[in-house]
Amino acid sequence: RKEVEQDPGPFNVPEGATVAFNCTYSNSASQSFFWYRQDCRKEPKLLMSVYSSGNEDGRFTAQLNRASQYISLLIRDSKLSDSATYLCAVKAPPPAGGFKTIFGAGTRLFVKA
Amino acid sequence: DGGITQSPKYLFRKEGQNVTLSCEQNLNHDAMYWYRQDPGQGLRLIYYSQIVNDFQKGDIAEGYSVSREKKESFPLTVTSAQKNPTAFYLCASSLRGGLGTDTQYFGPGTRLTVL
Repeated sequence: RKEVEQDPGPFNVPEGATVAFNCTYSNSASQSFFWYRQDCRKEPKLLMSVYSSGNEDGRFTAQLNRASQYISLLIRDSKLSDSATYLCAVKAPPPAGGFKTIFGAGTRLFVKA
Repeated sequence: DGGITQSPKYLFRKEGQNVTLSCEQNLNHDAMYWYRQDPGQGLRLIYYSQIVNDFQKGDIAEGYSVSREKKESFPLTVTSAQKNPTAFYLCASSLRGGLGTDTQYFGPGTRLTVL
């Protein structure tokens, strides 16, 4: 089982739709969780950090379910400009100590007019 | 203008050559990282450094080398020993590295192609 898994998609949705992505993680000791947005051939950019049960920023809501070991990203009222790949990142303590960030492979979203 | 810069943006290398990718940050971050991204795959950690003059191997360090002589700079050398170096290379930095809440920020990346 991969340490961090995402549905690769692609998700094809019309403008105005609500879409949700899930990301599962295997290490129950994981401390911090992040969603990044990556446009084609660009670097990932931080979208949201999730430290407790969830976080909301405008049309974007991230939720954390520690019992089931997954985080989700909900996008409401999708815009054409939301088309991108969304990467999930999880920070967990490796055996040697310290914290290592593990990235999922990403979920591709296409928003169509 | 604070941030992370990487150069060059595109790099072409002949087989058997070593090349060095530059990464500079002026965010006063202690920790810096190098990742490799292949199409359809997540980011894989090559090397990371939490303080000056110290660095650790990541998951795929073979065929790569780094140095951290200055806080602001963390260059990556792709050696001829790296069998499949064509990829998108991303440098990142974070404030402290070891903290659970520490967030990584990325540079614009270098796209390396081996001819």
